[in-house]
Amino acid sequence: DIVMTQSPDSLAVSLGERATINCKSSQSVLYSFNNKNFLGWYQQKPGQPPKLLIYWASIRESGVPDRFSGSGSGTDFTLTISSLQAEDVAVYYCQQYYTTPNTFGQGTKLEI
Amino acid sequence: QVHLVQSGAEVKKPGDSVKVSCKASGYTFTSYAIHWVRQAPGQRPEWMGWINVGNADTRYSQKFHVRVTITRDTSASTAYMELTSLRSEDTAVYYCARDLVGVNSNPAYWGQGTLVTVSS
Repeated sequence: DIVMTQSPDSLAVSLGERATINCKSSQSVLYSFNNKNFLGWYQQKPGQPPKLLIYWASIRESGVPDRFSGSGSGTDFTLTISSLQAEDVAVYYCQQYYTTPNTFGQGTKLEI
Repeated sequence: QVHLVQSGAEVKKPGDSVKVSCKASGYTFTSYAIHWVRQAPGQRPEWMGWINVGNADTRYSQKFHVRVTITRDTSASTAYMELTSLRSEDTAVYYCARDLVGVNSNPAYWGQGTLVTVSS
């Protein structure tokens, strides 16, 4: 199985400041046939299902604020929140869907 | 819009089986795979498997392969996940989620979750 490792485990950022979460996969999730990274980012708030923010490593899902962005390729990826808002407090997960079983990182808890 | 509604919470005893349903609306049911993902308290989500609703092809995580069966009823736009030989470690919220683009991408639209509690 591909192991997904996030850093840090928790992060405290001031309102309006930048938050950066990293995700590393144990093997590449870049599919050379279509040059797509099979990597997504999710936001989860207490009592709610995960919400898809980013897919193909850098494509923002419809309706997601543009302060959220994803970058990276191969094995190293980053989720950036450019200007933290109060409603961004949540746990963030990366997930690879390059191969089954799809696997998630351990999560990063983001606080103000 | 895409909407997935799951069946209600369940309380089971060790050794029992549970079957969770997931009714879809707002899109063409047969054009998208349905994933099943579970999340134990305080843990990361754990992918269990998916079904290609169009042709009923399934793919399971080896961790659950012997115990899990995912099916669908296209006439009812409903997918099902059955887990057998339950143990306490299976206590979790179970989610269904529609694939983003069809098949072989990531879970994009999630149901509300079904809490399954396994306790003697």
